[in-house]
Amino acid sequence: GQQLNQSPQSMFIQEGEDVSMNCTSSSIFNTWLWYKQDPGEGPVLLIALYKAGELTSNGRLTAQFGITRKDSFLNISASIPSDVGIYFCAGRPGGGTSYGKLTFGQGTILTVHP
Amino acid sequence: DTEVTQTPKHLVMGMTNKKSLKCEQHMGHRAMYWYKQKAKKPPELMFVYSYEKLSINESVPSRFSPECPNSSLLNLHLHALQPEDSALYLCASSQGAFEKLFFGSGTQLSVL
Repeated sequence: GQQLNQSPQSMFIQEGEDVSMNCTSSSIFNTWLWYKQDPGEGPVLLIALYKAGELTSNGRLTAQFGITRKDSFLNISASIPSDVGIYFCAGRPGGGTSYGKLTFGQGTILTVHP
Repeated sequence: DTEVTQTPKHLVMGMTNKKSLKCEQHMGHRAMYWYKQKAKKPPELMFVYSYEKLSINESVPSRFSPECPNSSLLNLHLHALQPEDSALYLCASSQGAFEKLFFGSGTQLSVL
């Protein structure tokens, strides 16, 4: 099946720092989704990307759909304590059936020190 | 309204019990999903319903039985589970298959 490599696996940062994480695939994807999950809760959709090169912001969050269609990046600016959680990328493959299953990355665990 | 509601929030059951998880969405979405998630791991797909019909079963053991009574409701019936089935069970919905998925808050299941 599809494989997504998400990095880094974990990050420990100081409040106010910027954060960057990314996902890469060996296959072409036509949709990238970024989710945040708090302990004991379901993933919450942060940003959805549909076009190569697309850059989309949601408050302090910015995500980009890589031009090769094989990667995506999420940046968080000026981190705050409530940014703590696990961030998952998810991609939907393209170049074939429009019902390609969503593949999740392994997640990036973010810890923010006040 | 982008809410998917799951009940119960927590469930503890013995290996001989029968229980059901419930999920509801009122966004008019035509696809609904069950995922299983272990701690600090990504969600794993179990079942997909599209237009109220089961379209994907990811080789899930028969002790898990999904049901879609109507376009807004999704159930997961549990019977004779094993301790390794303990996990967070997530329901999700989307307008089309595997488009933007909206997740519920999950049911934390413990099997004793």
